[in-house]
Amino acid sequence: GAGVSQTPSNKVTEKGKYVELRCDPISGHTALYWYRQSLGQGPEFLIYFQGTGAADDSGLPNDRFFAVRPEGSVSTLKIQRTERGDSAVYLCASSPGPGGTQHFGDGTRLSIL
Amino acid sequence: GDSVTQMEGPVTLSEEAFLTINCTYTATGYPSLFWYVQYPGEGLQLLLKATKADDKGSNKGFEATYRKETTSFHLEKGSVQVSDSAVYFCARIDSGGSNYKLTFGKGTLLTVNP
Repeated sequence: GAGVSQTPSNKVTEKGKYVELRCDPISGHTALYWYRQSLGQGPEFLIYFQGTGAADDSGLPNDRFFAVRPEGSVSTLKIQRTERGDSAVYLCASSPGPGGTQHFGDGTRLSIL
Repeated sequence: GDSVTQMEGPVTLSEEAFLTINCTYTATGYPSLFWYVQYPGEGLQLLLKATKADDKGSNKGFEATYRKETTSFHLEKGSVQVSDSAVYFCARIDSGGSNYKLTFGKGTLLTVNP
């Protein structure tokens, strides 16, 4: 597609459940990023992929969070045993390579009840 | 750590008014600086950027100048329109090994009334 696509756009689930958030980057972009935006805050870095590998996962808040990008294109952010504090908008971005301009998707709004 | 501080909103202006949104950054390294905009119901879009001191980024009538002496990157527009209503984020990327990690300010909500 023309831009970064994120699905679902909204996700509501109960505390303790497992969720997966999908990101489809711009075709040909080798770099992919996940950010989290809490209410009233700017986005915060979670993880960066160059190709298939996670080059920097220092922003993941704890081991309940995990992300994959098995074929170097689509990425999935996985959250286990969700907590109410995980409620936020999860943003994905891609760029042609590291250091390139990051193009953002519309985000997935995750609500944990 | 490395950070960006921008003026808190909300900011409410009348159409054709002059806009300034202040942004300052911590003076570590040689960051590139950005302004991103988020229109209602849309994703973040890059508005403008500057990669070194004294560079001026500009787009859609908005301007910002990278000022090393004051560690600032203030966003300005001479005459705002209703369609400029959005949330504006100042951000930085550091040079060197982490030249991919955007660090954002908290955002400033701008509302322009007709």
